[in-house]
Amino acid sequence: NAGVMQNPRHLVRRRGQEARLRCSPMKGHSHVYWYRQLPEEGLKFMVYLQKENIIDESGMPKERFSAEFPKEGPSILRIQQVVRGDSAAYFCASSPYPTREYGYTFGSGTRLTVV
Amino acid sequence: GENVEQHPSTLSVQEGDSAVIKCTYSDSASNYFPWYKQELGKGPQLIIDIRSNVGEKKDQRIAVTLNKTAKHFSLHITETQPEDSAVYFCAAPIFSGGYNKLIFGAGTRLAVHP
Repeated sequence: NAGVMQNPRHLVRRRGQEARLRCSPMKGHSHVYWYRQLPEEGLKFMVYLQKENIIDESGMPKERFSAEFPKEGPSILRIQQVVRGDSAAYFCASSPYPTREYGYTFGSGTRLTVV
Repeated sequence: GENVEQHPSTLSVQEGDSAVIKCTYSDSASNYFPWYKQELGKGPQLIIDIRSNVGEKKDQRIAVTLNKTAKHFSLHITETQPEDSAVYFCAAPIFSGGYNKLIFGAGTRLAVHP
């Protein structure tokens, strides 16, 4: 089991470009969560998805950010027209159940740098 | 609102000493409390968790205690070693709309000095 796979590990974008971050959950996990970690800060919830459905996007900025988890393929976090404040580490996590008693398995993250 | 508070933000100990990190949570219905360790440049890794039907759980040098009445839980690391140096996060699930999401504390940067 390869665990949660995120790519790319590092991504550099110029202001105004688009960033696409990919996440493949662990085998058998159908629940995906995206978190953002600003430098020297904690993990902030962004969005929770199941296959083909966005369940909770309460932590995601209203503009420029979108997420999807298609029937086939990885989950994608998309940031349009990036700004310097988007520079952060973005972590994806997956779990087998959406209940209270299971933790998440995290990927190694994508470190986005906006120049 | 939904909140998990974690203290201290930084902790420095000598090798061999114990380290204790404390967290409080707001959702009284939470019943699962994981702890994650994040090393530099890596993703958070689950190191121990506790469910609300027990008050304490141990795994070698690591233990977690839970006080549901007071809504706080703690991580205890005994006989610390330099490789324990990392950022530690506590978390608690917030249940809403039929599902849960983990809310994380702000993290504790632990430095173990040889």
